[in-house]
Amino acid sequence: ETGVTQSPTHLIKTRGQQVTLRCSSQSGHNTVSWYQQALGQGPQFIFQYYREEENGRGNFPPRFSGLQFPNYSSELNVNALELDDSALYLCASSQGTGGYNEQFFGPGTRLTVL
Amino acid sequence: DAKTTQPPSMDCAEGRAANLPCNHSTISGNEYVYWYRQIHSQGPQYIIHGLKNNETNEMASLIITEDRKSSTLILPHATLRDTAVYYCIVKTPNTGNQFYFGTGTSLTVIP
Repeated sequence: ETGVTQSPTHLIKTRGQQVTLRCSSQSGHNTVSWYQQALGQGPQFIFQYYREEENGRGNFPPRFSGLQFPNYSSELNVNALELDDSALYLCASSQGTGGYNEQFFGPGTRLTVL
Repeated sequence: DAKTTQPPSMDCAEGRAANLPCNHSTISGNEYVYWYRQIHSQGPQYIIHGLKNNETNEMASLIITEDRKSSTLILPHATLRDTAVYYCIVKTPNTGNQFYFGTGTSLTVIP
């Protein structure tokens, strides 16, 4: 069984650029959630994808967008990068969305915006 | 979702029980208490959750007070590998896996 993987591990971008982060969900999981973790803070929910549709969104602007593919892998896209977007981006996969389904986190992508 | 309050840091001697408190005085009737931890440079890891009864699994025990306004996560025999940030989160199951983590408690297990 393969766990949640994310790529790249580290990324450096400049303000105004666009970035795409990738996540492969754990085998058998059809739901992917994305989180942003600023330095010294806990992770904050960005959005969740279930069967290729957005299924819940946190308090993030529209320049944060995502996709989920038929194999349930997912992308997080951030346009017009700002300095405050520098953070660890985590994805988590789970099976289903009802109630609580244990979610498994990947190691994260560290994004630095200069 | 109700807000939680946790001490920013705690120490525990290796082999002793680690008791991590969480205050959630505004918890509502349908909100569960969840605990996650995050070891340095890794993603968060689920530990345990409960509604009102005490819960135990292979990792930890969760003790929720009768009025549900506070809870304690107990690691019965702490090891160095338990050094991590521990997050207490209160939420309803209606929002599935949409979690909002606070700043948690940084637990250091001392040899």
